[in-house]
Amino acid sequence: ETVMTQSPATLSVSPGERATVSCRASQSVSSNLAWYQQKPGQAPRLLIYGASTRASGLPARFSGSGSGTEFTLTLSSLQSEDFAVYYCQQYDDWPPTFGQGTKVEIK
Amino acid sequence: QVQLQESGPGLVRPSQTLSLTCTVSGGSLNSRSYYWSWIRQPAGKGLELIGHIQTNGNTDYNPSLESRVTLSVDKSKNQFSLRLSSVTAADTAVYYCARSRILTNSWSYMDVWGKGTTVSVSS
Repeated sequence: ETVMTQSPATLSVSPGERATVSCRASQSVSSNLAWYQQKPGQAPRLLIYGASTRASGLPARFSGSGSGTEFTLTLSSLQSEDFAVYYCQQYDDWPPTFGQGTKVEIK
Repeated sequence: QVQLQESGPGLVRPSQTLSLTCTVSGGSLNSRSYYWSWIRQPAGKGLELIGHIQTNGNTDYNPSLESRVTLSVDKSKNQFSLRLSSVTAADTAVYYCARSRILTNSWSYMDVWGKGTTVSVSS
């Protein structure tokens, strides 16, 4: 099983600033990496797939990059609605696995 | 726009079988293009894929749960279902159903999710 490790666990950011979330895979997952956003009491929402392709309707301030074992989700100019928990997920091998999550909170 | 809705008991006794159903609306479950998945999330913790099923009945299960899981699909009702046997308190979680597009050279990500249903295992 591929282990996904996210850092940091919590990120404190002021509105309008940039946030960067990292995700590392225990083995190469090529570009088979997705990012999700989850707000309290809600289901996860797909943000990014294929490591860098934005889901339909996603604002351009969300971007993903990386391949192999190292990936990054960047949120430029954070809006109030962006404070949430973010998860990465690899789907290169079975079973697909998720990172433990990064909470982006208001500083 | 496709929507998913989980349903089932919110409380299950230890050693019993957890049974949940996901109803697909706004689209047909009967498509060769998708996997229909179950994911769970214990309170305050991360996400775990339980498994998925295709409309032809093909299934893939997480090895960590495979011995206790059965997924099924009812195309006439546009529903798919989860059965998890011999439950313990460790199975207490929010259970989500989701849709994943079948890809050529990899497994997949979940692009549509249900709102989730909380299942507690307790006597």
